[in-house]
Amino acid sequence: DVKVTQSSRYLVKRTGEKVFLECVQDMDHENMFWYRQDPGLGLRLIYFSYDVKMKEKGDIPEGYSVSREKKERFSLILESASTNQTSMYLCASNLASSYNEQFFGPGTRLTVL
Amino acid sequence: KNQVEQSPQSLIILEGKNCTLQCNYTVSPFSNLRWYKQDTGRGPVSLTIMTFSENTKSNGRYTATLDADTKQSSLHITASQLSDSASYICVVSDGTGGSYIPTFGRGTSLIVHP
Repeated sequence: DVKVTQSSRYLVKRTGEKVFLECVQDMDHENMFWYRQDPGLGLRLIYFSYDVKMKEKGDIPEGYSVSREKKERFSLILESASTNQTSMYLCASNLASSYNEQFFGPGTRLTVL
Repeated sequence: KNQVEQSPQSLIILEGKNCTLQCNYTVSPFSNLRWYKQDTGRGPVSLTIMTFSENTKSNGRYTATLDADTKQSSLHITASQLSDSASYICVVSDGTGGSYIPTFGRGTSLIVHP
């Protein structure tokens, strides 16, 4: 069974803290993605990676960085969390083709106080 | 710029009734269109994929249509159930070589009342 897991379902952090969100997939997918989802705005792409150590900026990369040291793991880093980064964060993965379904993790709801 | 617009933003129906969700897109060149269902507190899950040559596809009580000429798709839900309460997201991929990034609509939130 296809599986994308995220390290936390809920996370509460303080302004200025460094935050790590981790995503692991067990499907040997080349592509991995990080999205944030906000009411009324839908899913917005933060970063994606098409191979180990490769990364590309999405639509809203400011304030975020990513790391992909192993094929199965893609980390999202908030260098200095701010209240406007309070959101639902979704990780996804798929095989390298526009036809391929993205498989999503359950999401991490991050609150920055 | 590629865009996907969904309507309505939200919808409330009674259990057992039918409903239709709309998706208009300006993605070019077109490759495929997916409808995803997102239950509360979960990640989206693909319901169906439509390619250029397909104009209707069913998945149980869900039927998707595609009009590639007018760049419109619809998702019809028949005999709704309480478990259909979810957000439905239209996602369109372009045919640009090497492009892995689809364009997401903002979703339609469906609530089915008993």
